[in-house]
Amino acid sequence: AQTVTQSQPEMSVQEAETVTLSCTYDTSESDYYLFWYKQPPSRQMILVIRQEAYKQQNATENRFSVNFQKAAKSFSLKISDSQLGDAAMYFCAYRSLVPAPGTYKYIFGTGTRLKVLA
Amino acid sequence: GAGVSQSPSNKVTEKGKDVELRCDPISGHTALYWYRQSLGQGLEFLIYFQGNSAPDKSGLPSDRFSAERTGGSVSTLTIQRTQQEDSAVYLCASSLGGRVPNEQYFGPGTRLTVT
Repeated sequence: AQTVTQSQPEMSVQEAETVTLSCTYDTSESDYYLFWYKQPPSRQMILVIRQEAYKQQNATENRFSVNFQKAAKSFSLKISDSQLGDAAMYFCAYRSLVPAPGTYKYIFGTGTRLKVLA
Repeated sequence: GAGVSQSPSNKVTEKGKDVELRCDPISGHTALYWYRQSLGQGLEFLIYFQGNSAPDKSGLPSDRFSAERTGGSVSTLTIQRTQQEDSAVYLCASSLGGRVPNEQYFGPGTRLTVT
């Protein structure tokens, strides 16, 4: 079974600085997607960025980028020029591409709470 | 257009009572997921509906939990004989479905408190 681990329960970053959130996962599959979701205090989960495992190029969305190391099964999120609005829980998630029953569910990590200091 | 909606937003119930939580997905979304988020925890997968296929119920924690999706749209998660450990936020998400994951759109959740 696949697992997703976020070993940093909480992180802090100064406004305008850069922070990296860690995520590791375990799988025997070769085809999958990885995601970072943001959950602000409003509780509304929002997709931040996603990465297809077969793509070697790291995904980037504005100030958000990932460092995807497939061999190491690592998927970290870098937030550049941190803003107060970035304060939230961040969840890493895994989703298989194997077309078999039960594999299309998402597996989430336990999250990292990011605090942005003014 | 409208996003995913869930009702009620908050529910307080006594131990042993049954509760029903409702999810209205985005129109046209064939995939629908239910998750449970306990305090300080990540999202725990409960059940997944995809079109007319048999749902993936592998995440339901016990036979007290059930869910249905009528007409491929609205879904109801039912918890029978609630226990205090059922207290959590229940999140619903919908997407276009398919092998390649389309973006999941989440609802605001229902906070369930069992007293």
